[in-house]
Amino acid sequence: GQQLNQSPQSMFIQEGEDVSMNCTSSSIFNTWLWYKQDPGEGPVLLIALYKAGELTSNGRLTAQFGITRKDSFLNISASIPSDVGIYFCAGLPMNYGGSQGNLIFGKGTKLSVKP
Amino acid sequence: DSGVTQTPKHLITATGQRVTLRCSPRSGDLSVYWYQQSLDQGLQFLIQYYNGEERAKGNILERFSAQQFPDLHSELNLSSLELGDSALYFCASSQGAHNNEKLFFGSGTQLSVL
Repeated sequence: GQQLNQSPQSMFIQEGEDVSMNCTSSSIFNTWLWYKQDPGEGPVLLIALYKAGELTSNGRLTAQFGITRKDSFLNISASIPSDVGIYFCAGLPMNYGGSQGNLIFGKGTKLSVKP
Repeated sequence: DSGVTQTPKHLITATGQRVTLRCSPRSGDLSVYWYQQSLDQGLQFLIQYYNGEERAKGNILERFSAQQFPDLHSELNLSSLELGDSALYFCASSQGAHNNEKLFFGSGTQLSVL
């Protein structure tokens, strides 16, 4: 089946540093989404991307829809302690059945910030 | 607060038992989705209901079933529970059933099967 390969699996960074993570697939996707999950909570949508090449920002977060439509990137600038959590990419494959229920999730990038 | 309410927050039960998880979607949302989150499999889509009707089915076991009621709340029933069913179960909702819509997740039900 279709899979999303998300990397890195985890990372420790110094407060104030920039962070980059990405998601790749062998399949073409129509939509890319980035979610963040805090401990004890459900995922929260950060950024949604709908067109190849699209670059969208949400505060210190910037995400891009890869030109090949097979990848997406999320960057966090000047990280702060509250950025800690698990970041998930998610995508709607090109041959989706017309429902958000066919959204495929990556396995997440666990971000830990050193104070 | 996403507006999606899930109960209970924690559930501990034994193998072979049956449990029911409940979800109330955001006000105005017609679609409810159920996801299972485990450490090794990540977020797996189980099933979607839209306005009371089953809309899409994912990797849901035959021992599991769900329904959406006229007031739009949904229940996920898990029966003949096995140790491997221990996971975090999320409900999410969206306004319609079309693609590209944003999902709003509840806080989840942590199920532990002993």
